[in-house]
Amino acid sequence: QSVLTQPPSVSGAPGQTVTISCSGSISNLGSRYDVHWYQQLPGTVPKLLIYGNDNRPSGVPDRFSASKSGISASLAITGLQAEDEATYFCHSFDNSLGDVVFGGGTKLTVL
Amino acid sequence: EVRLLESGGGVVQPGGSLRLSCAASGFFFPNYAMTWVRQAPGKGLEWVSSISSSGGSTYYADSVKGRFTVSRDNSKKTLELQMHTVGAEDMAVYYCAKTHRGGVAEAFDIWGQGTMVTVSS
Repeated sequence: QSVLTQPPSVSGAPGQTVTISCSGSISNLGSRYDVHWYQQLPGTVPKLLIYGNDNRPSGVPDRFSASKSGISASLAITGLQAEDEATYFCHSFDNSLGDVVFGGGTKLTVL
Repeated sequence: EVRLLESGGGVVQPGGSLRLSCAASGFFFPNYAMTWVRQAPGKGLEWVSSISSSGGSTYYADSVKGRFTVSRDNSKKTLELQMHTVGAEDMAVYYCAKTHRGGVAEAFDIWGQGTMVTVSS
């Protein structure tokens, strides 16, 4: 059981918008610590997609956006493309555990 | 180019030991906390251990506490993970990762290619 909860899978057709949720608690997402998101394409290394709740590293398309509110966070992908098919992970820090925590990952299927 | 290159993975017997290394290049290594993250085949990401930029503070997941030791050599720009009493649950690809802005709780902006640890008798 992951400390951060993500849906195991989501899907959408090309061009559509999908949202991936990440649910935590007051000791992680509800605390002062940021949430970050990673994209892992099949057979590849995780790549930082969003840092500090809603910031995109250079090179990440603006089709990817994220937000955090209370004990939840979400990643939105607009204008879905076939190349977006990947597993997405959220990440934060839990100040009660004193641990880095990940979500279990959400596999995005582009129909 | 900012790069992390892991080495040291391989086959280890249950109860055995293994030392993983990560060589950093392209950034000022002493400024950044570093982390080990693992991924078992077909599974999600699991945080293993982190070390502060100076090496003075170390952090471990409960699953490896007392068995694994993280260390770094800022002069050589290397990160290490010493693994003892390895079990089947430790079989995974191990990634070293650089923190985005230096602190342990920050995002991981650079990942190595990973090194596979296989536990088998």
